[in-house]
Amino acid sequence: EVQLVQSGAEVKKPGESLKISCKGSGYSFTTNWIGWVRQMPGKGLEWMGIIYPGDSDTRYSPSFQGQVTISADKSISTAYLQWSTLKASDTAMYYCARQGPYSSSWGYWGQGTLVTVSS
Amino acid sequence: QSALTQPASVSGSPGQSITISCTGTSSDVGGYNYVSWYQQHPGKAPKLMIYEVRNRPSGVSNRFSGSKSGNTASLTISGLQAEDEADYYCSSYTSSNTLGVFGGGTKVTVL
Repeated sequence: EVQLVQSGAEVKKPGESLKISCKGSGYSFTTNWIGWVRQMPGKGLEWMGIIYPGDSDTRYSPSFQGQVTISADKSISTAYLQWSTLKASDTAMYYCARQGPYSSSWGYWGQGTLVTVSS
Repeated sequence: QSALTQPASVSGSPGQSITISCTGTSSDVGGYNYVSWYQQHPGKAPKLMIYEVRNRPSGVSNRFSGSKSGNTASLTISGLQAEDEADYYCSSYTSSNTLGVFGGGTKVTVL
């Protein structure tokens, strides 16, 4: 069974750094794209970026380029989303998703990580 | 990138059929048969309901169907049930980037 398990909720202060994780299991981690999606409170879904763990090929949405870093450690089947300097506007639910099993769709999702940034 | 355009809300009575539209451009919805639909219940992760315009993943009820005409894709829910009350998002491949683009979401209310 394909599973994506995300790290737990975080409460941070503006200016702090943060790295959240998404651990894949039940499939070949290196041969499927993993993406990160932001959902701000009461708002819709937004693509942040995607990574191909096999070769770490990473693509960012223009809105998030330079604002976050996406990475993956294939030795432990885990993808990451990190911020160096959090802002209050980063408060949101963040989902990881795996592409597949059908062409360009995203059929597997993590449970989400709630990030709250508040002074 | 600009989101695809969906109505903010659609409602219907149990047993009725409703249709949610998703309007894009020839660079996304109209140019490719890579339109997907996702259902999201409050506090839950999105769930894939339709892929490649009209195909249902295994386990998804056949009350859900997808179609496309020109730059507009549609999701139809027939025999509306209380459990269908959720937010629905369309998504499409786009030539603008490799991530794809989401619609703004539609809240479905079962009256």
